[in-house]
Amino acid sequence: EAGVVQSPRYKIIEKKQPVAFWCNPISGHNTLYWYRQNLGQGPELLIRYENEEAVDDSQLPKDRFSAERLKGVDSTLKIQPAELGDSAVYLCASSPTGTGLGQYFGPGTRLTVT
Amino acid sequence: GQQVMQIPQYQHVQEGEDFTTYCNSSTTLSNIQWYKQRPGGHPVFLIQLVKSGEVKKQKRLTFQFGEAKKNSSLHITATQTTDVGTYFCASSSNTGKLIFGQGTTLQVKP
Repeated sequence: EAGVVQSPRYKIIEKKQPVAFWCNPISGHNTLYWYRQNLGQGPELLIRYENEEAVDDSQLPKDRFSAERLKGVDSTLKIQPAELGDSAVYLCASSPTGTGLGQYFGPGTRLTVT
Repeated sequence: GQQVMQIPQYQHVQEGEDFTTYCNSSTTLSNIQWYKQRPGGHPVFLIQLVKSGEVKKQKRLTFQFGEAKKNSSLHITATQTTDVGTYFCASSSNTGKLIFGQGTTLQVKP
């Protein structure tokens, strides 16, 4: 079974530029999450989707961040414009709804904003 | 809001020694999950505990959920170099949001 796929793995951009991350969850997983992980810290949830509906986006900085999951499968997270403080690893995770079997994380995208 | 605190932040052990990380909350937790993240890797789900006083084992790893469901521990017996990484506890809030602790980074000296 293929795991969660993310691209790109690494991205270096200058501040004020836009950037987008893509995630394809495990087949059949209805719930998709975007996390941000800073060095030495645990992942922090940005947004959670149940199918195509964003059910928790309270931690998403909506002035510059946006996300979509149009067909309830893969998802895109965008930052526009990027700031120096956005440098972090952006992790996507998925889980089957309601089973309590944990979340399956992708390899992440390491973003460096210069 | 709900928070989970982990201690210690770092632990260095000699290979063969035991290791324990603790997760504490001021509020009652509905469940506790444990993840391992290898250096440069992503979090990998290890286990979920739900019941008060629950104990689960995975080979050399023992997971406990406190009787009051406010704390949890992960104990590794006879550490190996492959145990190196950061261990996170996480718990679901009443909205289903998973809140992670700060993690305990384990270094094992061969």
